[in-house]
Amino acid sequence: DAKTTQPPSMDCAEGRAANLPCNHSTISGNEYVYWYRQIHSQGPQYIIHGLKNNETNEMASLIITEDRKSSTLILPHATLRDTAVYYCIVLKRDAGKSTFGDGTTLTVKP
Amino acid sequence: DAGVTQSPTHLIKTRGQQVTLRCSPKSGHDTVSWYQQALGQGPQFIFQYYEEEERQRGNFPDRFSGHQFPNYSSELNVNALLLGDSALYLCASSSGTGLNSPLHFGNGTRLTVT
Repeated sequence: DAKTTQPPSMDCAEGRAANLPCNHSTISGNEYVYWYRQIHSQGPQYIIHGLKNNETNEMASLIITEDRKSSTLILPHATLRDTAVYYCIVLKRDAGKSTFGDGTTLTVKP
Repeated sequence: DAGVTQSPTHLIKTRGQQVTLRCSPKSGHDTVSWYQQALGQGPQFIFQYYEEEERQRGNFPDRFSGHQFPNYSSELNVNALLLGDSALYLCASSSGTGLNSPLHFGNGTRLTVT
């Protein structure tokens, strides 16, 4: 599976959009981009995933560049409860064998 | 609709002992994966079970073994515990093993080896 690079930490003001970047320059054509987040003392929570097109659900939007070498997770109106570690994962073979890096710690501040 | 449940939530064992952790998948899910998460790090894949067989395995020694039952629930067994096995053990379930199957995680079992 392709390696991903994420900034170790980011801050965001409450009510503003949080834009979390992820670099996956070695991604191949059949690999999906997945995002999970982990709030302290809980298991990771699935947020969104995509292959080529941009995706949106009730939690977030996923923007994938045309060359698919990077993506951005957008939380449109961040709240204090969105403070968590966000993991970007690229999967080739199987969603079960997900390789988690160290993620981005997002801190939403009042 | 119950999500992924794990038991116990916390466990303290002595070096050299054996431990069994349990997981019930989310309703409708048939695939279970196990992860180990050391403090301050991301989860590391241990193995995945589908149709009662181990389908994939990460870079973990044979001391780590598992089982999946006909009702899709699963157990993780660790023998000859080492201090380094202290971690949060996460169970994740999904529907099938395909690429388009998001993982749903439980809140984990915190194992402390003394």
